[in-house]
Amino acid sequence: NAGVTQTPKFQVLKTGQSMTLQCAQDMNHNSMYWYRQDPGMGLRLIYYSASEGTTDKGEVPNGYNVSRLNKREFSLRLESAAPSQTSVYFCASSGLHSQETQYFGPGTRLLVL
Amino acid sequence: GDSVTQMEGPVTLSEEAFLTINCTYTATGYPSLFWYVQYPGEGLQLLLKATKADDKGSNKGFEATYRKETTSFHLEKGSVQVSDSAVYFCALGGNTGFQKLVFGTGTRLLVSP
Repeated sequence: NAGVTQTPKFQVLKTGQSMTLQCAQDMNHNSMYWYRQDPGMGLRLIYYSASEGTTDKGEVPNGYNVSRLNKREFSLRLESAAPSQTSVYFCASSGLHSQETQYFGPGTRLLVL
Repeated sequence: GDSVTQMEGPVTLSEEAFLTINCTYTATGYPSLFWYVQYPGEGLQLLLKATKADDKGSNKGFEATYRKETTSFHLEKGSVQVSDSAVYFCALGGNTGFQKLVFGTGTRLLVSP
């Protein structure tokens, strides 16, 4: 069991470039999430997918789009990267019930110049 | 809305010292409460959780008790080790159906030999 995997691990972009962060889970979870982590800010939810076929905005969705490709995969796209999007991005997954544990990937460190 | 407040860090302790990290919450109803830990360079992982009032979660020598009367879920460990150095996040979720987790800002623990 790989759990939650993310690619790439590290990426450098120039302002205005686009990229897609990939996330996959092999735990048959219904729900998936994208967070960003910035110093002193804790974790902030960007988008989530409560179940396959649905996506919803979180706390900080501006500048991002997501796709729930199938039950396993949930991608995050930056259409036109900005320096303010320099961060560490985490994908997570969980069962549908809110008492269930969220399992996190190892993160993608993104630097936008 | 729901919120979680954690003590500011960093918390600096010597090995074998007693640890308390305070966490209080504001929520409607009866949320589930979680402590997650993030070791350097890694994603978050669940440390312990409690799903109803007066429950005690425990794992790896850490404990936290769900106190509804004081809306608190303080993390404690009797004797910390250098390997416990990490960032600790308190979080709350719902108790029925799907609900996003709300995270605190995290508390960094540094344990010296």
